[in-house]
Amino acid sequence: EAQVTQNPRYLITVTGKKLTVTCSQNMNHEYMSWYRQDPGLGLRQIYYSMNVEVTDKGDVPEGYKVSRKEKRNFPLILESPSPNQTSLYFCASSLWGQGQGTGANVLTFGAGSRLTVL
Amino acid sequence: AQTVTQSQPEMSVQEAETVTLSCTYDTSESDYYLFWYKQPPSRQMILVIRQEAYKQQNATENRFSVNFQKAAKSFSLKISDSQLGDAAMYFCAYPLKGTYKYIFGTGTRLKVLA
Repeated sequence: EAQVTQNPRYLITVTGKKLTVTCSQNMNHEYMSWYRQDPGLGLRQIYYSMNVEVTDKGDVPEGYKVSRKEKRNFPLILESPSPNQTSLYFCASSLWGQGQGTGANVLTFGAGSRLTVL
Repeated sequence: AQTVTQSQPEMSVQEAETVTLSCTYDTSESDYYLFWYKQPPSRQMILVIRQEAYKQQNATENRFSVNFQKAAKSFSLKISDSQLGDAAMYFCAYPLKGTYKYIFGTGTRLKVLA
C-alpha cells in the first residue's frame, strides 16, 4: 500500500529534550515536506526537500532541522523543543512538476504526530 | 507575496443540500495547480479535487466540483448532496512551482446537519 508513515503519533516531552519525528514514504517520491497545523493558522510549511541531500526552508523553519540522506526518509528534528512548538505535525510526499501525470504535486500525507512540549 | 485566503472559518449545511466553500489566492505565476484537501476528525489529510490553471473546464469529482475563476483568482469548492461523512476541515492549497513551497489556507470547518 502506498503510504507515508510518521512516528511517533503522540509525544509529550519537556523543554530542551531533543526529539526526532520520523517520516518514511514507499512511493519513490522526490518531494517531501513537513507542516505544522495550529488552530486558526492552517498548515504551515516547515521544511521541504526536492531530493536526496536537497532541502530548503519553508515559512516556519525556526527551531527545526531536517535531513534527507535517503530518498524514502525525511526526519524532523527538534534540537531543543520549546512550548511554542506544541502542535500537530504532518509529513507529506509528492511527485513534483509538470509532465508527471495526474499525480504531480498531489500531496500524500502521513497520519500526523501530536507533539506537546511542557 | 503568494497567499491563500479562506474567509469562512466555519460553515453548516443540511444533509442532502449543497454548500460552497470559498478560496481566493494571490500568485504571480501563470501556470499552476490548485487543490482542495479534506481533514476529517481522524486527522488524515485527503485530496478532494485538483484544478490545473491552464484548463478552462472546472474540475469535478463525483459530488465535488470547483468554480475556478482565474482572472478573479477564486477557487471555490461546491459539495452537492452533502452527506454526514463530508463533515471535516477543508483546506485550499497550491504549490509554488518556482520555489517548491506549498501554501495552505487557514481552513473551513464544515458541519453537516442531519
